Amino acid sequence: NAGVTQTPKFQVLKTGQSMTLQCAQDMNHEYMSWYRQDPGMGLRLIHYSVGAGITDQGEVPNGYNVSRSTTEDFPLRLLSAAPSQTSVYFCASRYTREEIDTQYFGPGTRLTVL
Amino acid sequence: GIQVEQSPPDLILQEGANSTLRCNFSDSVNNLQWFHQNPWGQLINLFYIPSGTKQNGRLSATTVATERYSLLYISSSQTTDSGVYFCAGGIQGAQKLVFGQGTRLTINP
Repeated sequence: NAGVTQTPKFQVLKTGQSMTLQCAQDMNHEYMSWYRQDPGMGLRLIHYSVGAGITDQGEVPNGYNVSRSTTEDFPLRLLSAAPSQTSVYFCASRYTREEIDTQYFGPGTRLTVL
Repeated sequence: GIQVEQSPPDLILQEGANSTLRCNFSDSVNNLQWFHQNPWGQLINLFYIPSGTKQNGRLSATTVATERYSLLYISSSQTTDSGVYFCAGGIQGAQKLVFGQGTRLTINP
């Protein structure tokens, strides 16, 4: 049981390049999310999904796309990278039932846009 | 919208001390959670605590929903407790969570 995995761990891009951050979970959770964390700040929600084929925008969706074709995978696409997207990106899956609500985070991807 | 504020922003303690971290949240929040981010960046869910009190070892959390605040208590602190503690608020049944800016806790040996 690997939990939530993210690749790559580190990435450097040039302004205008595109790339996809991969996220996968093996816990069969319906809910998955992408967050970004900037220095000295909490996490901000980019996009989320409540199940395969269903996605929605969070607080800071501009410049990012997502899709959810399977329960396991939730990739995040940067369409045209900008220096303002330099950040650490966390993927999370969520298990919620009655008195339980637990988020499982991946190890993060540190992205630098030059 | 949802607002979440944490205090203090920084806390430095000696090993063995107790600490209390506070989270104030806006009226619409009825889903309150606490997280720990260790010095290597890994995030762990500590508590789901929309109201009442929960305990897990040396950590406990209390949320007083009617007064819009939550407290995280750490007793007999250890160096491994260092890191950033976040609270996050949301609405039951909704996926969105809004994170506070965190309290950075440093436990010195």
